[in-house]
Amino acid sequence: DGGITQSPKYLFRKEGQNVTLSCEQNLNHDAMYWYRQDPGQGLRLIYYSQIVNDFQKGDIAEGYSVSREKKESFPLTVTSAQKNPTAFYLCASSINRDYTFGSGTRLTVV
Amino acid sequence: AQSVTQPDIHITVSEGASLELRCNYSYGATPYLFWYVQSPGQGLQLLLKYFSGDTLVQGIKGFEAEFKRSQSSFNLRKPSVHWSDAAEYFCAVGEEGYQKVTFGTGTKLQVIP
Repeated sequence: DGGITQSPKYLFRKEGQNVTLSCEQNLNHDAMYWYRQDPGQGLRLIYYSQIVNDFQKGDIAEGYSVSREKKESFPLTVTSAQKNPTAFYLCASSINRDYTFGSGTRLTVV
Repeated sequence: AQSVTQPDIHITVSEGASLELRCNYSYGATPYLFWYVQSPGQGLQLLLKYFSGDTLVQGIKGFEAEFKRSQSSFNLRKPSVHWSDAAEYFCAVGEEGYQKVTFGTGTKLQVIP
């Protein structure tokens, strides 16, 4: 079955370390997105990519970086510059505004 | 810029009672409107969407929503709530020419026996 796979489901990192969250899709969707979810704040867009080798900053891109070298993959790196990285991170892809979401990665920085 | 408001942060209903979750959007032209549901620790699942045509939209799990342009609203309804409907619900709006959508802050639904 087609879908989006996010890994790992839970991730613990020490403060000051960079960490990369994986997102892979086999839906053949061109567009992919990363959202951050905090209680009471809904989904906030971090980065999005409409095609391979191109991506744009979303509303809260500071302290994050992405790459889109393959259509299937859109990894997100949470850098040490992100002041409050502990959150639930959701990856999504879309075609014709039909979004498919992964099951998320919960990142905890200690 | 488009925006979405979900005025109710938390709603509690009794099992079997009817449900209405409110959503108001801000966008100049005809919007693309969505409702998603999220169970704890999971991703979002699409319940229904409105692009054009009939303003009453049927979705999965017995949900429906009505687009009212005059009120800039897209409220989600269900005639009889089941305990399994307890989750968080997100309204979202998109616009012509852009793939990305904007999500509301969510309404958490609690269902009591």
